[in-house]
Amino acid sequence: GAVVSQHPSWVICKSGTSVKIECRSLDFQATTMFWYRQFPKQSLMLMATSNEGSKATYEQGVEKDKFLINHASLTLSTLTVTSAHPEDSSFYICSARERSDSYEQYFGPGTRLTVT
Amino acid sequence: AQSVTQPDIHITVSEGASLELRCNYSYGATPYLFWYVQSPGQGLQLLLKYFSGDTLVQGIKGFEAEFKRSQSSFNLRKPSVHWSDAAEYFCAVAAGQAGTALIFGKGTTLSVSS
Repeated sequence: GAVVSQHPSWVICKSGTSVKIECRSLDFQATTMFWYRQFPKQSLMLMATSNEGSKATYEQGVEKDKFLINHASLTLSTLTVTSAHPEDSSFYICSARERSDSYEQYFGPGTRLTVT
Repeated sequence: AQSVTQPDIHITVSEGASLELRCNYSYGATPYLFWYVQSPGQGLQLLLKYFSGDTLVQGIKGFEAEFKRSQSSFNLRKPSVHWSDAAEYFCAVAAGQAGTALIFGKGTTLSVSS
């Protein structure tokens, strides 16, 4: 089946530094990838939608200059948290859609980010 | 706007007992509905989905869900719960044109007592 990986699975960084999270579709080409953020004991909140070769579409309230998303190929999207602060600590989950006319998404295992 | 409501924040069920997790959606047309399960610190695993056709949908791990248009519901059921079913369960809807993101409910935490 369709598999999505994320790297790293967890990361600890110091306040003010930047962190890059990778999301890869391993056995299919993903026309669209989504980035979600999940706070403890809460649901997933969509941060942005990225289509290969174009700029990401950010949800209202998400700072595009802070959360840089790049979807350079059909199998890779990256989320870079720039100048991270403790409030950016969260669980980040990506998902990928294989076809533009599909409603189904395949989720990665998530990345736990802790900013100290 | 589309929305998903999971009325139960936390449910405890005895091992071997039956389970029903509630999900209500708000959407004018026929929605595409999903149930996902998330274990602590893990990503989401798809349990089942409803796109069209038979309103009773079978999924993995012995789960099933029934789409009831009249009640705008898509409740998840399992006849006999196992301790390994303890996890967070999310109902989600894909509404609008294809390619749009999923809208998730707030989730229901399932605890299983022995």
